[in-house]
Amino acid sequence: QKEVEQDPGPLSVPEGAIVSLNCTYSNSAFQYFMWYRQYSRKGPELLMYTYSSGNKEDGRFTAQVDKSSKYISLFIRDSQPSDSATYLCAMSAMDSSYKLIFGSGTRLLVRP
Amino acid sequence: GAVVSQHPSRVICKSGTSVKIECRSLDFQATTMFWYRQFPKQSLMLMATSNEGSKATYEQGVEKDKFLINHASLTLSTLTVTSAHPEDSSFYICSAPGASTDTQYFGPGTRLTVL
Repeated sequence: QKEVEQDPGPLSVPEGAIVSLNCTYSNSAFQYFMWYRQYSRKGPELLMYTYSSGNKEDGRFTAQVDKSSKYISLFIRDSQPSDSATYLCAMSAMDSSYKLIFGSGTRLLVRP
Repeated sequence: GAVVSQHPSRVICKSGTSVKIECRSLDFQATTMFWYRQFPKQSLMLMATSNEGSKATYEQGVEKDKFLINHASLTLSTLTVTSAHPEDSSFYICSAPGASTDTQYFGPGTRLTVL
């Protein structure tokens, strides 16, 4: 079993839709949770970073962490074609020397 | 956010040659940097942790003699792929921890093609 599970997609939605991306994890030591966006042939770009359970909002993006269920989500409101990319969840444990464990990434396509 | 650069962005080389990839933190210092490898439509695989002033720490299954890492200064880490083979063709990405958060900032990646 992988430490971090993420549906690879692809996920295809119409422009303006609300997108829900999810990851589950098995290691209860994970304390830090991140979402990265990666366009084709580019490096990952940090979108959201959360530490505790609950919600964190930044513009059209909301990150949600449920440590009791070992489940994290990223919601994208009013999705745009420019949101089409691969979204990677990543997490790390305290005292892990910054080492990140990544999900496999979900490919998102927002249709105009 | 913090900026990390990589050079070159793309390199094509012949089998048997060595290729050096540079990773720089542009507006902050990084005592630790990370090197990842990514195959098409797959996630990032951590190869090694680069430590300024000391030896790199390699992940299980990564050949130390093949992927040489040097962290010569607080803003520069280099990955040298020695005696490259076609199976080394991949997207190589470096990252560095941010100054104030427990996360990492990634470089734009280097696409290596070995003929």
